[in-house]
Amino acid sequence: QSLLTQPPSASGTPGQRVTISCSGSNSNVGPNTVNWYRQFPGTTPQPLIHSINLRPSGVPDRFSGSKSGTSASLAVTDLQSEDEAIYYCAAWDDDLKAVVFGGGTTLTVL
Amino acid sequence: QEHLVQSGAEVKRPGSSVRISCKASGYTFTAHFIHWVRQAPGQGLEWLGWINPNTGVTDHGQKFQGRVTLTRDTSITTAYLDLSRLTSDDTAVYFCVRAFGVRSSRFDPWGQGTLVTVSS
Repeated sequence: QSLLTQPPSASGTPGQRVTISCSGSNSNVGPNTVNWYRQFPGTTPQPLIHSINLRPSGVPDRFSGSKSGTSASLAVTDLQSEDEAIYYCAAWDDDLKAVVFGGGTTLTVL
Repeated sequence: QEHLVQSGAEVKRPGSSVRISCKASGYTFTAHFIHWVRQAPGQGLEWLGWINPNTGVTDHGQKFQGRVTLTRDTSITTAYLDLSRLTSDDTAVYFCVRAFGVRSSRFDPWGQGTLVTVSS
């Protein structure tokens, strides 16, 4: 069971806005930055959002991150078919002295 | 451009050990921690541990206590993961990743992954 809780699935139609939540605790999301990764089937996870809301070069500004308290969110605006993938959040946990991941959210474009 | 290139797929018997290498290029190897992450078939991501290539200091998850050894060879900018007493639960793709900062979950780039299959 993952220490960071994500919904197993999310969906939307093209052009819509979708958000994916990542719920943690006072030992991980609360005090530390949250990073998001995207994984297409059969490929390596790739960085999507780092340091809560910064995008690596090449990631469109349709993707944004935010954090409030012990929860973080990934928002995808103007949803496109190529956004179908699994999205993971991650954070350092001060109590475990370990990196913890969310269980992943499969995003489907209807 | 920064790259991490891992060794090839392995098939191991239960109870044996596996070593995976991770060759870094395109950046100063000793300036960034290397972490190891794995992904069992159809499952999510699981963190194993990290090594500071500059000092050789390591740490790993409690779950892997006594089974995981992380080392590095700075002369060839390569990090290694050794995992012993393998069981079928260790069947997974193992990734090495470069981290930014201490106590960080920001990983970029990722190695291409090494599939370890544990089967009798």
